[in-house]
Amino acid sequence: EAQVTQNPRYLITVTGKKLTVTCSQNMNHEYMSWYRQDPGLGLRQIYYSMNVEVTDKGDVPEGYKVSRKEKRNFPLILESPSPNQTSLYFCASTSHSGTNYGYTFGSGTRLTVV
Amino acid sequence: AQSVTQLGSHVSVSEGALVLLRCNYSSSVPPYLFWYVQYPNQGLQLLLKYTSAATLVKGINGFEAEFKKSETSFHLTKPSAHMSDAAEYFCAVSSGSFQKLVFGTGTRLLVSP
Repeated sequence: EAQVTQNPRYLITVTGKKLTVTCSQNMNHEYMSWYRQDPGLGLRQIYYSMNVEVTDKGDVPEGYKVSRKEKRNFPLILESPSPNQTSLYFCASTSHSGTNYGYTFGSGTRLTVV
Repeated sequence: AQSVTQLGSHVSVSEGALVLLRCNYSSSVPPYLFWYVQYPNQGLQLLLKYTSAATLVKGINGFEAEFKKSETSFHLTKPSAHMSDAAEYFCAVSSGSFQKLVFGTGTRLLVSP
C-alpha cells in the first residue's frame, strides 16, 4: 500500500529537549515536505525537499531542521523545542506524473511542548 | 504568489440539505486545486483535485467541485449532507511546481439531524 508513515503519532516533551519526528514514504517520490497545522491558520509549509540532499525553507522554518539523506526518509528535527511549536505536524510526499499529480499526507504527529 | 480564501470558518447544515463550501484562489499561473477533509483526530484525506482536465471534478463521498477561472473559484458541493460529513475541509492550491501546497484556513462543517 502506498503511504507516508510518520512517527510518533503523539509526543509530549519539555522545552529545550531535542526531538525528531520521522517520515518515510514507499512511493519513490522525489519531493517531500513538512507542514504544521494550527487552529485558524490552516496548514503552513515548514520545509521541503526536491531530492536527496536538496532541501529548502518553506513559510515557517524558524526553529526547525530537516535532512534528506535517503530518498524515502525526511525527518523533522526540533533542536530546542519551545511551547510555540506545539502543533499538529504533517509530512507529505508528492507525485508529479501528469494527472496523478498530488500530495500524499502522513497521519500526523501531535506535538505538545511544555 | 498563491493564496486561498475559504469563506466561513464554520458552516452549519441540516442532514439532507445541500452542502456548499466556498473557496477562492489567487494564482499567477494555471493552478492545481485540491479539497481535503479532516475528520476529528485524523489526518488529511483527499476529496478531489483539479489538474487542468475537466472543470467539473467529482470526488469521493458524493462531493464535487467546479473550477471557474473567471471567478477564481473552486467551491465544494454535495447535494445531500450526511451526519458523517461533519469534519473540517481544506481547500489548497499549487502551481504544479511541487514546491508548495498553499492551504486555506479551513471550514468546519456541522451537520444537524
